[in-house]
Amino acid sequence: EAGVVQSPRYKIIEKKQPVAFWCNPISGHNTLYWYLQNLGQGPELLIRYENEEAVDDSQLPKDRFSAERLKGVDSTLKIQPAELGDSAVYLCASSMSPGQGDSNEQFFGPGTRLTVL
Amino acid sequence: AQKVTQAQTEISVVEKEDVTLDCVYETRDTTYYLFWYKQPPSGELVFLIRRNSFDEQNEISGRYSWNFQKSTSSFNFTITASQVVDSAVYFCALSEESSGGGADGLTFGKGTHLIIQP
Repeated sequence: EAGVVQSPRYKIIEKKQPVAFWCNPISGHNTLYWYLQNLGQGPELLIRYENEEAVDDSQLPKDRFSAERLKGVDSTLKIQPAELGDSAVYLCASSMSPGQGDSNEQFFGPGTRLTVL
Repeated sequence: AQKVTQAQTEISVVEKEDVTLDCVYETRDTTYYLFWYKQPPSGELVFLIRRNSFDEQNEISGRYSWNFQKSTSSFNFTITASQVVDSAVYFCALSEESSGGGADGLTFGKGTHLIIQP
């Protein structure tokens, strides 16, 4: 069974440019999470989706960050415009929803490492 | 609000030594879940264990063991007879049960960088 897929794995952009990250969760997982991991820190939740609905986006900096999961499967996280401080690893995770099975175990993708110059 | 504290930023031991990674958590919920993840240099987070708040039994899996104590809000992780391959950053994490069931996003500690020297 395929794990969580993310692309690209690495991205280098100049500040003020837009950037987008893509995530495809494990098949059948209705819950999807985006995390931000700064160097030397633990991941921090940005947004959680249940199917296509963003049920927790309280930590998403909405002035420049946006996310979507239009069909309740794969998801895109966008930054526009990027700033130097956005350099980090962006992790996607997925889990089953309540009623599907074990909804408390999150499976993480390999992450996208963003460098803003 | 929930919080996870991993006070040990970095630990360095010689191979075959035992090592314990500390984790202290804060939460107001009575139902919550505790996790340990391993992050090797490749960067991917590897799930190690999950414990729910109603299960205080300690667990052993090979060279790994976990000590969950609600009285001290701690969930410590011990590696016995450490090996060089255990070198990684280890994260403790907490999630609370969301209002609709299932789990909220994880709150991670800052991680402990474990270095096993040959």
